[in-house]
Amino acid sequence: SQQGEEDPQALSIQEGENATMNCSYKTSINNLQWYRQNSGRGLVHLILIRSNEREKHSGRLRVTLDTSKKSSSLLITASRAADTASYFCATVPSYGKLTFGQGTILTVHP
Amino acid sequence: NAGVTQTPKFRVLKTGQSMTLLCAQDMNHEYMYWYRQDPGMGLRLIHYSVGEGTTAKGEVPDGYNVSRLKKQNFLLGLESAAPSQTSVYFCASSPVRTGTADTQYFGPGTRLTVL
Repeated sequence: SQQGEEDPQALSIQEGENATMNCSYKTSINNLQWYRQNSGRGLVHLILIRSNEREKHSGRLRVTLDTSKKSSSLLITASRAADTASYFCATVPSYGKLTFGQGTILTVHP
Repeated sequence: NAGVTQTPKFRVLKTGQSMTLLCAQDMNHEYMYWYRQDPGMGLRLIHYSVGEGTTAKGEVPDGYNVSRLKKQNFLLGLESAAPSQTSVYFCASSPVRTGTADTQYFGPGTRLTVL
């Protein structure tokens, strides 16, 4: 079964709005990563947050991690049409391999 | 620096046929992975390799074999293709395996259809 589960499954917003995606997981982790996948392409790593970190920023991306709730969120601020893609969270449990969730499909309308 | 490349990009097979997917990386990464991506299922790990000459099973290894004869190449084989193996296949590599940092670099994918 998938370690990470994203919510919502799909998100549709207007350009300039913020987009928030959530990820929940089941077991303890060493780190959690977010990836983006444009249609028909491979995944691209966006950001990694370690289990002892609570928040991390990278450009317009903000990731939070709450290990007590086993959840993470990805916030994209001031979204652009080019942000349209699928976003996956991936967890690295203490015992195993990178495990991906099913993804959130983000559509940003110009 | 091409990163991770995959060959072929598309392929159509008949049930029972065999084929090999090739993954190559020029980043001198130790670890390489093969995933399949199906609608609503996310990415699932098929096999992986922690170094030249080594391979291990992932989450969904049945029906697939792999080989890592050279550090830069990771081959995925289907001996007798089945319609259930219709999917998009992604190869990935990562530079280290410390348990604290497993950033992976992905290839563009191979879209396989088995009729």
